[in-house]
Amino acid sequence: SQTIHQWPATLVQPVGSPLSLECTVEGTSNPNLYWYRQAAGRGLQLLFYSVGIGQISSEVPQNLSASRPQDRQFILSSKKLLLSDSGFYLCAWNHRNGNTIYFGEGSWLTVV
Amino acid sequence: AQSVTQLDSQVPVFEEAPVELRCNYSSSVSVYLFWYVQYPNQGLQLLLKYLSGSTLVKGINGFEAEFNKSQTSFHLRKPSVHISDTAEYFCAVSDGNQFYFGTGTSLTVIP
Repeated sequence: SQTIHQWPATLVQPVGSPLSLECTVEGTSNPNLYWYRQAAGRGLQLLFYSVGIGQISSEVPQNLSASRPQDRQFILSSKKLLLSDSGFYLCAWNHRNGNTIYFGEGSWLTVV
Repeated sequence: AQSVTQLDSQVPVFEEAPVELRCNYSSSVSVYLFWYVQYPNQGLQLLLKYLSGSTLVKGINGFEAEFNKSQTSFHLRKPSVHISDTAEYFCAVSDGNQFYFGTGTSLTVIP
């Protein structure tokens, strides 16, 4: 069966510091991969999605970036965090032609 | 483009009472419909989905939803809620390429 993991689960970072959140999927190949952000009390905002290695589409302009160095690895990064980057970040995946999306456990980021 | 509207941001309900969480969508194409549940500090878990066929879909934890094409709705129901059903519920729609999520409904079950 397929599994998805993301880490770290919780992160407290000062303003201006870098960020790296990692996500890996096991048990499948060539998945579509997604990064969502969920601000407190709000819905899901799609940040990035990827259909293959090195292929990243950005949905919202911001100081975050994403990379896909391997088929089943998706990384969310920032060079300098802002207070507004605080939130709950969710990695997700689906099969290339799949109709259902599956989520990781989430990562809480607090920028102080 | 597709969009999803969850009409109620918060729904309080007493334990063992029935509940309905409403979801409406707009789309010009055929869609797939989903309900996800999110427990505190966790990711989203698939509750149920409609892809085709019977319009009444049964999911985990005793939840069910009915697809109504004419009203473009996909309401979630449970005949008797439990304390453990307290969570955030998200409705989602997919056109086969992208996924679109509602803003969520916070269900609070009162003892």
